[in-house]
Amino acid sequence: EAGVTQFPSHSVIEKGQTVTLRCDPISGHDNLYWYRRVMGKEIKFLLHFVKESKQDESGMPNNRFLAERTGGTYSTLKVQPAELEDSGVYFCASSHVDRGRRETQYFGPGTRLLVL
Amino acid sequence: SQQGEEDPQALSIQEGENATMNCSYKTSINNLQWYRQNSGRGLVHLILIRSNEREKHSGRLRVTLDTSKKSSSLLITASRAADTASYFCATWETSGSRLTFGEGTQLTVNP
Repeated sequence: EAGVTQFPSHSVIEKGQTVTLRCDPISGHDNLYWYRRVMGKEIKFLLHFVKESKQDESGMPNNRFLAERTGGTYSTLKVQPAELEDSGVYFCASSHVDRGRRETQYFGPGTRLLVL
Repeated sequence: SQQGEEDPQALSIQEGENATMNCSYKTSINNLQWYRQNSGRGLVHLILIRSNEREKHSGRLRVTLDTSKKSSSLLITASRAADTASYFCATWETSGSRLTFGEGTQLTVNP
């Protein structure tokens, strides 16, 4: 079974540019989460999809961030326009929806974003 | 306020020694989990302990949970250089649907 994959692994962009991160969850996992770790601090929740629906987007920092999961498969996270403080590692995770299994989340390798 | 604070922030030990990391949290939880992140790689799930459990073992890992003190510890016995990584505790709140992480402990195991 393939794990969670993320693309790209690294991205270096200039302030004001746009970047789109992609996450492919484990097949069959309806839960999909985005997290990020900024400046070596704690890993913070961004948002949660159940299939194609946004279940919780309370962690999204501002309206420069847009996440989509059309069709309930892969997800994209777009940052437009990027700011310096957006630099960090963006993780995607997926899990089953049923009780008892949803708490175990499988993480992707992350996308390292550097905004110059 | 921050949920899941690890202590210490950094720990350096010699191969073969034991490493203990602590985590404190603030809210009522369903379970607590520990993750490892090797440099440049993703988060790997290590172990999950439920709120009604007090101790759990997995290989060289031993996790304890004290819900009265809202704290957990991760013990790695007979450490190896390959254990060098950042270790994070994460809580799943009783009414939650997501993980809340702490800042992590950077463990360095010197050969």
